[in-house]
Amino acid sequence: GENVEQHPSTLSVQEGDSAVIKCTYSDSASNYFPWYKQELGKRPQLIIDIRSNVGEKKDQRIAVTLNKTAKHFSLHITETQPEDSAVYFCAAFGTGGYNKLIFGAGTRLAVHP
Amino acid sequence: GAVVSQHPSWVICKSGTSVKIECRSLDFQATTMFWYRQFPKQSLMLMATSNEGSKATYEQGVEKDKFLINHASLTLSTLTVTSAHPEDSSFYICSARDFALSSYNEQFFGPGTRLTVL
Repeated sequence: GENVEQHPSTLSVQEGDSAVIKCTYSDSASNYFPWYKQELGKRPQLIIDIRSNVGEKKDQRIAVTLNKTAKHFSLHITETQPEDSAVYFCAAFGTGGYNKLIFGAGTRLAVHP
Repeated sequence: GAVVSQHPSWVICKSGTSVKIECRSLDFQATTMFWYRQFPKQSLMLMATSNEGSKATYEQGVEKDKFLINHASLTLSTLTVTSAHPEDSSFYICSARDFALSSYNEQFFGPGTRLTVL
């Protein structure tokens, strides 16, 4: 089955710096890669996603890149702000009849003023 | 659009009792819903895939007789934790997919239910 690895587990940056979180996946058939932001006690919020026919996608300060050959994808947050502090999860669509989302272990991002 | 609700938002129960959690898609029909469990400081772990009108598909290691799933309508799936024990205390989150959307891969998450078993 699909396996998703995420690094780093924690990331601390100064306000205004960039943050990069990386994920690798094992199933070459996976075709959808969402990123979620989760604040304590809340539901995961989709912040950006990318499909396998696209190499890069950007939405204001957030961008995601996908390298299908290497089976890895990354989240880039520029000009970080304290409100970006949260846990970020990558995920990949596993194979199987119901297309399960398999999550990475999460990255705890702390943005210091 | 694409709103998913869960009820209750939190529940405290005694060991040995059963707890039912409801997951509803409020403005779309969800033929497939997913149930996740999240322990503190950990990731979301898929427990089972709930399919309207048929039996749920459980992930390896998840006891189907302990975590009963019913998906009786296109807008409601329920998870019943039977004979709950303290180790079942966790954050339970459901999600649903709207196949009518062009972005049908996207899953919409409920707000979660925090279960505490004493």
